[in-house]
Amino acid sequence: EVQLVESGGGLVQPGGSLKLSCAASGFIFSDSAMHWVRQSSGKGLEWVGRIRSKANSYATAYAASVKGRFTISRDDSNNTAYLQMNSLKTEDTAVYYCTRLVGAKPFGYYYYYMDVWGKGTTVTVSS
Amino acid sequence: DVQMTQSPSSLSASVGDRVTITCRASQSISSFLNWYQQKPGEAPKLLIYAAFSLQSGVPSRFSGSGSGTDFTLTISSLQPEDFATYYCQQGYSTPWTFGQGTKVDVK
Repeated sequence: EVQLVESGGGLVQPGGSLKLSCAASGFIFSDSAMHWVRQSSGKGLEWVGRIRSKANSYATAYAASVKGRFTISRDDSNNTAYLQMNSLKTEDTAVYYCTRLVGAKPFGYYYYYMDVWGKGTTVTVSS
Repeated sequence: DVQMTQSPSSLSASVGDRVTITCRASQSISSFLNWYQQKPGEAPKLLIYAAFSLQSGVPSRFSGSGSGTDFTLTISSLQPEDFATYYCQQGYSTPWTFGQGTKVDVK
């Protein structure tokens, strides 16, 4: 069974740091790009960032709201992705989901989408 | 950044109704459009990718259409388990962006 399990969430003060983990199983993790998406309470979904596979140079990209503060990394030997969050702000309070990116070619081009999601881990930034 | 706008923000419907949700992109995104369903307390679930390709295991009452800037998610006959919030998401360019969501509740 394909599965993603996030961990590492908790309560942290503004300006603090937290590192989330995403443990993957049931698929070839090293071949997959991994994304992080967050959702504030009662609000919509916000894409946080992604890391590509080794074949794609582990390239990362981030939302403007977290760029320079958050870093996504991965350990293919342990099938785990990470989200290092520094200089946290109250507006970073959210449930954080990790997701797997897959691609399909239904008509000529590769189309990418997030097909598997973890259950999420809650991050609360408050004094 | 590509802005995604869904309408309506919420709707009330009955079991058996045909439900249509629209999503508009601020620029052309070809068919790089995905739809997700989210129930309270759960992670989002992929329904449709590439505008109209049904994800494996998703009931055929769900369908997607559109290309360019205007897209539609249709539920042909609403079932009790379909009351949820639906999000569109563009996969055309980084940063990936979501619509604000459409909540489907009981009429």
